[in-house]
Amino acid sequence: GAGVSQSPSNKVTEKGKDVELRCDPISGHTALYWYRQSLGQGLEFLIYFQGNSAPDKSGLPSDRFSAERTGGSVSTLTIQRTQQEDSAVYLCASSPGQVEAFFGQGTRLTVV
Amino acid sequence: GESVGLHLPTLSVQEGDNSIINCAYSNSASDYFIWYKQESGKGPQFIIDIRSNMDKRQGQRVTVLLNKTVKHLSLQIAATQPGDSAVYFCAGAPAKGAQKLVFGQGTRLTINP
Repeated sequence: GAGVSQSPSNKVTEKGKDVELRCDPISGHTALYWYRQSLGQGLEFLIYFQGNSAPDKSGLPSDRFSAERTGGSVSTLTIQRTQQEDSAVYLCASSPGQVEAFFGQGTRLTVV
Repeated sequence: GESVGLHLPTLSVQEGDNSIINCAYSNSASDYFIWYKQESGKGPQFIIDIRSNMDKRQGQRVTVLLNKTVKHLSLQIAATQPGDSAVYFCAGAPAKGAQKLVFGQGTRLTINP
């Protein structure tokens, strides 16, 4: 069966540009997470969606970051006016309602 | 708030030996813990989980121990193999019923031949 799919796998963008990162969760999973992982570091929580509840946005580092989840399925993480410190791997995970989360391969974002 | 950390950032073991990776957490209300394995260039993969009403759980070659008194958990890997080389993360759910996972920084496990 299909796992969590993220696109693009790699993205190079110029400083100041906006980027959109896409996550297709496992079908039927009600919870969706976005995490950020800088080189050699742990996973930094960004945002969490659960069903129709208001998302937990407590991890978003600034107002340049936003995310939406349309129809309870696909999610898009948008970073406006990208900065070099935004360079990282952005990981998406989905969960069937139990706590275990299944991760995608990530999108490696490089801001030059 | 919840924080989950690891005692050592790196661990080297001989092939065939047992590995023990440790993790500490701060929130005594944490209800659920997971260990993930992350190989280079890949997303984290689930290894094993444990709920706070248990103190031990075993999987295939792996055992997770939970000590709620000192807020510590460990991952034991038996007969470590080269394929076990990876970064291992512990993650906790900070409150009963909540699902947001908080991750530690990870321990890089290196297997020496």
